[in-house]
Amino acid sequence: DAGVIQSPRHEVTEMGQEVTLRCKPISGHNSLFWYRQTMMRGLELLIYFNNNVPIDDSGMPEDRFSAKMPNASFSTLKIQPSEPRDSAVYFCASSLWGRHYEQYFGPGTRLTVT
Amino acid sequence: AQTVTQSQPEMSVQEAETVTLSCTYDTSENNYYLFWYKQPPSRQMILVIRQEAYKQQNATENRFSVNFQKAAKSFSLKISDSQLGDTAMYFCAFMKQGGSEKLVFGKGTKLTVNP
Repeated sequence: DAGVIQSPRHEVTEMGQEVTLRCKPISGHNSLFWYRQTMMRGLELLIYFNNNVPIDDSGMPEDRFSAKMPNASFSTLKIQPSEPRDSAVYFCASSLWGRHYEQYFGPGTRLTVT
Repeated sequence: AQTVTQSQPEMSVQEAETVTLSCTYDTSENNYYLFWYKQPPSRQMILVIRQEAYKQQNATENRFSVNFQKAAKSFSLKISDSQLGDTAMYFCAFMKQGGSEKLVFGKGTKLTVNP
């Protein structure tokens, strides 16, 4: 069974450009999480969805960040416009509703904004 | 708000020896989970072990075991018979049970296993 799939694995973009990160959760999972990992702040939760509905977006850093989950098998995290301080590894994870203690992480997307 | 502290930024151990990674946390909750995640150079986050706070018995997974001291809010990871493949970043994490169940991570400990 395929795990959580993220694309792209690496993204290099220039400041001011729009960036879209993509995630496909494990089939059957109905909770999805977006995390960001930086040297300064470590791993932090940005937003999570239950049944495609955003439940907690308190970790989203600012209005330049937005996340959507149009259906149960796809989510996007968009940064517009991107800034160098957005450079990080972005992880997507999924779990069954009510079993958030069993999150499965994707391989991450390394974003570099120059 | 919950916080997780890992006081050892880096550690090293010889192959086949035992190493213990430390973690403390701060919470006013009574029901929660604690985790250790491994992140090898491949960047993949891998769950090593999970402990439910209501369980007094320490969790074990093969060569990995924890020492959970609820009153002291301490949650250390012991790796026995260390292997080269154990070289990785190790993150301690906390999740409140019920309500908004979010993982809160420590800053990590970089473990190097030397041959």
